[in-house]
Amino acid sequence: GQQVMQIPQYQHVQEGEDFTTYCNSSTTLSNIQWYKQRPGGHPVFLIQLVKSGEVKKQKRLTFQFGEAKKNSSLHITATQTTDVGTYFCAGHTFLNDYKLSFGAGTTVTVRA
Amino acid sequence: GAGVSQSPSNKVTEKGKDVELRCDPISGHTALYWYRQSLGQGLEFLIYFQGNSAPDKSGLPSDRFSAERTGGSVSTLTIQRTQQEDSAVYLCASSLVGRRGEQFFGPGTRLTVL
Repeated sequence: GQQVMQIPQYQHVQEGEDFTTYCNSSTTLSNIQWYKQRPGGHPVFLIQLVKSGEVKKQKRLTFQFGEAKKNSSLHITATQTTDVGTYFCAGHTFLNDYKLSFGAGTTVTVRA
Repeated sequence: GAGVSQSPSNKVTEKGKDVELRCDPISGHTALYWYRQSLGQGLEFLIYFQGNSAPDKSGLPSDRFSAERTGGSVSTLTIQRTQQEDSAVYLCASSLVGRRGEQFFGPGTRLTVL
């Protein structure tokens, strides 16, 4: 079955630094979504990418969808304490466009 | 403008007992999902409802798990004869369109089986 993998599993970042988390799918995706889950909270939708090579920015967050539509990345610049949480990527395939396959997430902690 | 609500927020039960978890989706959302999240893990798909269509139950881990959605709105997830490995947070999500749509998650029910 389809598998979505995220690396790294944990990311410890000094406040003010940049980092990138990666998402890789074993199959081609029709779209990819990113969610953020704060500690003790529930996942909250951040963004959806649909087109091959698409890049979208939300303030300090930059999301990219790979050319082959099998991978994605989230880059955060000038990390702040508010960025703490777990970031999940999730994708739909062309064969199943209602079931999201979630990665295991990247848990981000920030050193002030 | 209420979001997805779930009840109870916490449930502690004894092994072998049955539990019912409730989800109230956002009004007008036709798609409803149940997920299970074990400590420090990702989201495991359990079941999907879309309108009046037959649900996709492919993620239910055993026949002790069942779910229904009445009137295309409220959903209940029932776990019979609970086991300790059922301990997890059960998340419900709804989506306006389901297909390739953004999902809105509820706060979850934390189930602890003693």
